Amino acid sequence: GDSVTQMEGPVTLSEEAFLTINCTYTATGYPSLFWYVQYPGEGLQLLLKATKADDKGSNKGFEATYRKETTSFHLEKGSVQVSDSAVYFCALSDPGGYQKVTFGTGTKLQVIP
Amino acid sequence: DVKVTQSSRYLVKRTGEKVFLECVQDMDHENMFWYRQDPGLGLRLIYFSYDVKMKEKGDIPEGYSVSREKKERFSLILESASTNQTSMYLCASSFYRGEETQYFGPGTRLLVL
Repeated sequence: GDSVTQMEGPVTLSEEAFLTINCTYTATGYPSLFWYVQYPGEGLQLLLKATKADDKGSNKGFEATYRKETTSFHLEKGSVQVSDSAVYFCALSDPGGYQKVTFGTGTKLQVIP
Repeated sequence: DVKVTQSSRYLVKRTGEKVFLECVQDMDHENMFWYRQDPGLGLRLIYFSYDVKMKEKGDIPEGYSVSREKKERFSLILESASTNQTSMYLCASSFYRGEETQYFGPGTRLLVL
């Protein structure tokens, strides 16, 4: 079945540091790929998405590129802020129907001033 | 803006009690989902529904049931709560076709004593 593997956290960075959170996936079809973010005390919200190979999703300074050859969708940001502290989930959507989504286990990011 | 609301943010119940968690979305979405979120395990799908009165088992349906009598409302039922059902429960919704983004509620943190 489909699966998503992302790097374990927590990740602690100083403000303005470069961020990479690794994500790889296994899927039988051609899934769409997502990064969701969960701020403390809240539900998940979509951060960015990519629907086909070589697509780049971007939002709020975050970027991720759909790499079919390496089955990866790594999240990057050039300069993190304290307000980016959250849990980040990589996910893929089953193209077979009902938009069933498989989530990774989440990576907690803490940014310190 | 899409809004998904959940009936409670925090619940404390006793072992053996019947527990109802309610979710309402205001965007006329066909699909609705219930997940539980546990540390180190990410989000696991309990049940989903793609239409009124329709339901499909997710990855961990044991000990749970669901009800969808109206399009906007999706209820999760714990028939006889147990301590291993202590968790964060997240509801989500999405359109049936085309748009795969899931929109999440704020979550209900359930403690079963």
